[in-house]
This record gives sequence, C-alpha cells and structure tokens, in this order.
Amino acid sequence: SQTIHQWPATLVQPVGSPLSLECTVEGTSNPNLYWYRQAAGRGLQLLFYSVGIGQISSEVPQNLSASRPQDRQFILSSKKLLLSDSGFYLCACSTGGHGYTFGSGTRLTVV
Amino acid sequence: DQQVKQNSPSLSVQEGRISILNCDYTNSMFDYFLWYKKYPAEGPTFLISISSIKDKNEDGRFTVFLNKSAKHLSLHIVPSQPGDSAVYFCAASEASGNTPLVFGKGTRLSVIA
Repeated sequence: SQTIHQWPATLVQPVGSPLSLECTVEGTSNPNLYWYRQAAGRGLQLLFYSVGIGQISSEVPQNLSASRPQDRQFILSSKKLLLSDSGFYLCACSTGGHGYTFGSGTRLTVV
Repeated sequence: DQQVKQNSPSLSVQEGRISILNCDYTNSMFDYFLWYKKYPAEGPTFLISISSIKDKNEDGRFTVFLNKSAKHLSLHIVPSQPGDSAVYFCAASEASGNTPLVFGKGTRLSVIA
C-alpha cells in the first residue's frame, strides 16, 4: 500500500514570503496526486491534481501553483503568501481507483 | 455550487447510542461514495464506501446507507464510542474514478462519555 510523506508539519510564514510544500509517495508508481486545503468552515477544497509528470490541473484560481517534477513528487508553491492562504494543506494520492491515501498535512499560518 | 453537502456542521451523541451522519449530493453522475474520518492535525483516513449498485454496506460498527432516488447517504455508527469523536467527510466520485473526489464540508462528531 502507498505511503505519503508530507513536510513540514507546521509552518509560520509572513505575508509576502514564498512557500514550498513537498509531498512524496512510496509504494506505488504513476499515482494520481492531489493537493487539498482545509480552511475553517470550508471543508476539503481541491486545489490541484496531477495524473502524470508535468501534468497539473488547477481547480481554484489563486496565487498558488503546483508542480510535479518526478512521478512520485508533488510540490505546492507560492511566490507571495496572503493571509487567506492560511489553512491545513493535505497531499493525497490514488492509483486509479476511488479511494485516496492522505498525508499527515501541513498547518500553514500566514502572519 | 456545492455538489456534496453535509448540512450538519456538528453532532453530539452519548456513548453507546447511535450516531447518524447525513450527506446529500446533486451530481447524478456520482456513483461511488466514501466516508473519511479526520482527527485534528492529521490527514483523513478512509472509513467505508458504497457503490451505487448497493443500498447498504456494513463494516463492524459502521454502516453506510445510500438512497439514490433522494441523492442521500448516511453513515450510522453503533454503538458510538469516545474514540469516534472526529470530523467525518462524505465524498463522491464518478464512475470512471479518474475525476477527483468531491468532498463535503464535514461534520464534527462528539461522543460524550
């Protein structure tokens, strides 16, 4: 079964600073990868998903971007963070079926 | 427009009693439904799922019921235990499984000892 490594667990960043969150997957190849954000009262909001290297679909227009430089690596980035970017960021993977495996998440606080 | 709705943000139940969490959906293309459980500061974990060809799926204390005509599903936990206290997310996907899961906003369940 697949395992997702996500880091860091918590992050406090000033407004206007850059962001890079990394997610790597073990135990599978060619997974579908996802970035979700859980914000207060908003549930799990899909931000980006990728079905292969270099293939990124964006669900919500915002100042975040995602990249998939390797098969099992998914990176969430921002050039300049906003206060509204605060939240709990989750990486997830699937292998074509319906179920997802989630990482342990990153709590981002923008101050 | 929310395609998966969990209209109760929170639910409080006494230990030993039944917990019923509800979920409604609007997209008629959804035909596979899942429930995830999430503790604070952790990623969601898969709990139970149901395909649209069934109306009930049971796994130990957890049962999911699906009413396709009403576009409604529910998760029953019997008996409820304090360790069940968590946020429960309903999710749905289309037949192919190639489109991302759509999640509801979650229901926070508190089981009181």
